[in-house]
Amino acid sequence: GAVVSQHPSWVICKSGTSVKIECRSLDFQATTMFWYRQFPKQSLMLMATSNEGSKATYEQGVEKDKFLINHASLTLSTLTVTSAHPEDSSFYICSAKRGGNEQFFGPGTRLTVL
Amino acid sequence: DAKTTQPNSMESNEEEPVHLPCNHSTISGTDYIHWYRQLPSQGPEYVIHGLTSNVNNRMASLAIAEDRKSSTLILHRATLRDAAVYYCILSNTGTASKLTFGTGTRLQVTL
Repeated sequence: GAVVSQHPSWVICKSGTSVKIECRSLDFQATTMFWYRQFPKQSLMLMATSNEGSKATYEQGVEKDKFLINHASLTLSTLTVTSAHPEDSSFYICSAKRGGNEQFFGPGTRLTVL
Repeated sequence: DAKTTQPNSMESNEEEPVHLPCNHSTISGTDYIHWYRQLPSQGPEYVIHGLTSNVNNRMASLAIAEDRKSSTLILHRATLRDAAVYYCILSNTGTASKLTFGTGTRLQVTL
């Protein structure tokens, strides 16, 4: 149990376009979901925390108007990178909690902006 | 957030035990010690967590020092599939259980 999926697993887009990444908890209801970003050879950086039905809480330095997070249900959160630019190319990873201490991570989405 | 310190890298031979250390001298009484690992091009995977007592699960054991200022993740028999970056992270419910990832320890396992 406790499987988290992400879609798509990779995406290539042109500069200036918007990209939506989905994060789903497949076999449990997630009380909280998190979005992380990881640049090559670096560690994961938390971008935001989202709870179902409420606005996401963004970490310092993360532009909330650029990285739109929607947590419409207890099993789905989406991250939309608006007007993507090459510097937004990264590995985006979501995680979900179901009430305990551990977070269950998705497999990640690799975004390449040309 | 309380900080953790880990060696950048470690090596192990397959089938041998591995002890991955983590220092967290500024840990607070409500901080849980979490271990996650990340294989290349994958999301992190939960390994184990504990508060004060040593913990065992099917993946690993967590040994926590009596003063809680350090801990050790123990892989009893390393396999090639255990090669990954291992992260030791402190988290408490007061911060919505946010995980702040450090640089971790890159474990190499050789035949």
